[in-house]
Amino acid sequence: GNSVTQMEGPVTLSEEAFLTINCTYTATGYPSLFWYVQYPGEGLQLLLKATKADDKGSNKGFEATYRKETTSFHLEKGSVQVSDSAVYFCALNFYQGGSEKLVFGKGTKLTVNP
Amino acid sequence: GAVVSQHPSWVICKSGTSVKIECRSLDFQATTMFWYRQFPKQSLMLMATSNEGSKATYEQGVEKDKFLINHASLTLSTLTVTSAHPEDSSFYICSAEPRDSGLYEQYFGPGTRLTVT
Repeated sequence: GNSVTQMEGPVTLSEEAFLTINCTYTATGYPSLFWYVQYPGEGLQLLLKATKADDKGSNKGFEATYRKETTSFHLEKGSVQVSDSAVYFCALNFYQGGSEKLVFGKGTKLTVNP
Repeated sequence: GAVVSQHPSWVICKSGTSVKIECRSLDFQATTMFWYRQFPKQSLMLMATSNEGSKATYEQGVEKDKFLINHASLTLSTLTVTSAHPEDSSFYICSAEPRDSGLYEQYFGPGTRLTVT
């Protein structure tokens, strides 16, 4: 089946600290991988994605590399800011019944303190 | 651009009543809309996929007679929780896929918190 496992939170960091949120997946076929972010009171927003092995997705200083050999898509940022405080979801997509669907991890809450 | 709204943002209802949640794409037309359910500290679980003008496709284990989905236009989908019970209390999130976007993208609403007493 298809599933996503991401590290349990919450994660609390000081501003300018290095961030890693681990994500591993199980999939049949060759999914695309995504990181979504949910800021307080808002809907999920696509942060970055990678569509094939060894691709690196990047946006707003965040990066994640699609590692097929380790079935991972870890999210990293070199220097976090208070404004990065949010819940981060790792996800993959697959096709079923003629439509494309997303499978999400449980989310990791990040709090960045000044 | 690509904003999705949900209404209401939260609702409290009595057991046995029905509740309707609206999902609107504000600045684009959505061929497909998705409804998710999220329990505390759990991931989003896809409930159903709806295409404009056709019946929704429900995921395994989701009662289609309990969770009625209507996608009457390219900018509006509704989820009605019929005869609600306390176990239906949850966070319901919709997303919309732009029509003819050429790329797979879902834009998410902010969610609706349902509490059934």
